[in-house]
Amino acid sequence: AQSVSQHNHHVILSEAASLELGCNYSYGGTVNLFWYVQYPGQHLQLLLKYFSGDPLVKGIKGFEAEFIKSKFSFNLRKPSVQWSDTAEYFCAVNAKTGRRALTFGSGTRLQVQP
Amino acid sequence: GAVVSQHPSWVICKSGTSVKIECRSLDFQATTMFWYRQFPKQSLMLMATSNEGSKATYEQGVEKDKFLINHASLTLSTLTVTSAHPEDSSFYICSARRTSGRGSDYEQYFGPGTRLTVT
Repeated sequence: AQSVSQHNHHVILSEAASLELGCNYSYGGTVNLFWYVQYPGQHLQLLLKYFSGDPLVKGIKGFEAEFIKSKFSFNLRKPSVQWSDTAEYFCAVNAKTGRRALTFGSGTRLQVQP
Repeated sequence: GAVVSQHPSWVICKSGTSVKIECRSLDFQATTMFWYRQFPKQSLMLMATSNEGSKATYEQGVEKDKFLINHASLTLSTLTVTSAHPEDSSFYICSARRTSGRGSDYEQYFGPGTRLTVT
């Protein structure tokens, strides 16, 4: 079974600060990796995804993530956050075979102060 | 494209009654849909995998007789919470996986969720 760890539970940043949210996964096979965002009162939206190829993936709203296979990591980054980035961020993985159900990390609450 | 809707968006019911939640893929076909549960300030926990035309696959610890899932068509899955109790109060979210198309096997599209409150 796969598992996902997000080490930062609550992050508070000032506007224009750089962001990096950690995500590590555990699984014996190959996986697909995702970052989702949930703005207050809204549903989950996909930020970016990695299936294969270039390990540095760019998503919407200036976010990017890097897949480091040797570290089983898929950290999310943004060079300069905005107040509107305040939200809950979830890392998720699914296996490339089988049911492909998503396993989510516990989430990181990002609070950006103006 | 790839829009998933859920109905109702919120529901309040009395303890002991049953509640049905619908999940629809509006502009694509979905052989597989997933049902998640999210408690306040917590992550999404997979409850079950809904397969069109066959029985759902439930995760360990999820009572299949309490959470009835029906996936009658390629665009509709329903979750019925039977004999609801206050501890069933939660945010229920569905997602759908495309049956065909590029990247169809991997990506899921999420519905907006249904907030269930059992009094």
